[in-house]
Amino acid sequence: EVQLVESGGALVQPGRSLRLSCTGSGFDFDDFSIIWFRQAPGRGLEWVAFIGTKGDGETTEYAASVKGRFTISRDDSKSIAYLQMNRLKTDDTALYYCTRREYPRDPFGIWGQGTVVTVSS
Amino acid sequence: EIVLTQSPGTLSLSPGERASLSCRASQSVSSTYLAWFQQKPGQAPRLLIFGASHRATGVPHRFSGSGSATDFTLTISRLEPEDFAVYFCHHYGGSPYTFGQGTKLEI
Repeated sequence: EVQLVESGGALVQPGRSLRLSCTGSGFDFDDFSIIWFRQAPGRGLEWVAFIGTKGDGETTEYAASVKGRFTISRDDSKSIAYLQMNRLKTDDTALYYCTRREYPRDPFGIWGQGTVVTVSS
Repeated sequence: EIVLTQSPGTLSLSPGERASLSCRASQSVSSTYLAWFQQKPGQAPRLLIFGASHRATGVPHRFSGSGSATDFTLTISRLEPEDFAVYFCHHYGGSPYTFGQGTKLEI
């Protein structure tokens, strides 16, 4: 069964750091780009970050709201993608989801259940 | 950035009725990269439609998508009780990947 599982969410103070993990199973992880989205409480969905495959040079892209603070990376040997979040703000409070795709025209069909990040003093 | 605007914000209907949800893009988009998701409380989004009109695996035939350029529609032909949820349209043609603000379909 194809599966993505997010972990690492926690309650943290503003200005602190946190690293989220996205673990894939049931598919060839290194063939897929990994994308992070988030959803603030009672709000819509927002794209956060993208990392391409090793074959694509592990290209990374970021939403303007997180650029310079968040870093996406991957370890294909462990089938894990990471989202390192630094200088966290209260606006980063959200449920964070990861998803995947193999080709640019593929939709985001497989989602994890998400991990909760709460930024509060 | 492609801004997606959904209407109505809330749609109140009854089981058995037909639902039409609208999604308007701020600029013309390729139909290849327009999707619809369903989300229920406490659950991850579920892909319903991709490429504007293609049903995802396991999606009932009562769900259909249509449209092109800047105007897209999700239609649910006969509402079932489990269809009452929030629906998002989504553009995935390249970053930034954007979503509409959602339409809440309620009884």
